[in-house]
Amino acid sequence: NAGVTQTPKFQVLKTGQSMTLQCAQDMNHEYMSWYRQDPGMGLRLIHYSVGAGITDQGEVPNGYNVSRSTTEDFPLRLLSAAPSQTSVYFCASSTIGRPQHFGDGTRLSIL
Amino acid sequence: AQTVTQSQPEMSVQEAETVTLSCTYDTSESDYYLFWYKQPPSRQMILVIRQEAYKQQNATENRFSVNFQKAAKSFSLKISDSQLGDAAMYFCAYRSAMGGSEKLVFGKGMKLTVNP
Repeated sequence: NAGVTQTPKFQVLKTGQSMTLQCAQDMNHEYMSWYRQDPGMGLRLIHYSVGAGITDQGEVPNGYNVSRSTTEDFPLRLLSAAPSQTSVYFCASSTIGRPQHFGDGTRLSIL
Repeated sequence: AQTVTQSQPEMSVQEAETVTLSCTYDTSESDYYLFWYKQPPSRQMILVIRQEAYKQQNATENRFSVNFQKAAKSFSLKISDSQLGDAAMYFCAYRSAMGGSEKLVFGKGMKLTVNP
């Protein structure tokens, strides 16, 4: 049972480039979410989804897009990367009402 | 909006001793969940303990226990018999129990050092 899988684990981008962070879970969880972790800031919610076809914004959604076409996958897209988006990104999933399972994170650096 | 405050950015403890990590939160809701997560240098987010607000009994998990004071909006974590492997960042988190909300609100974290 793989749990929550995030790819890539590390990525370096140039300002203005676009990319997609992948997140997949094999636990049939309805709820999936993306957080970013910055030094001294804790984790902050970017976007979340309560099921396939349903997404909503979290606390810091600007500059990011998401979609949920399947229960298993919840990719996070950076449309035009900015240095302010340098961070560690975590994907999480859960069954409604149960504790969330986190992926191992993606460290993203934008030059 | 709910907020979670961890006022101590760093703490240290001697191996085998007990340490208490503090957390306060602000909410107008009556039903919610509180969590402590551990993040070791490997970067994984590991659930340590969970408390339902409607339960008066404090949660315990082996060497980890909480002191949940609902009226004071306080949720501290006690680690007994500290081990070197307990060294990590610790995050307190809040989740509403209303309307199927699964969104977690995190504190800024606290770095725990365990001295041999």
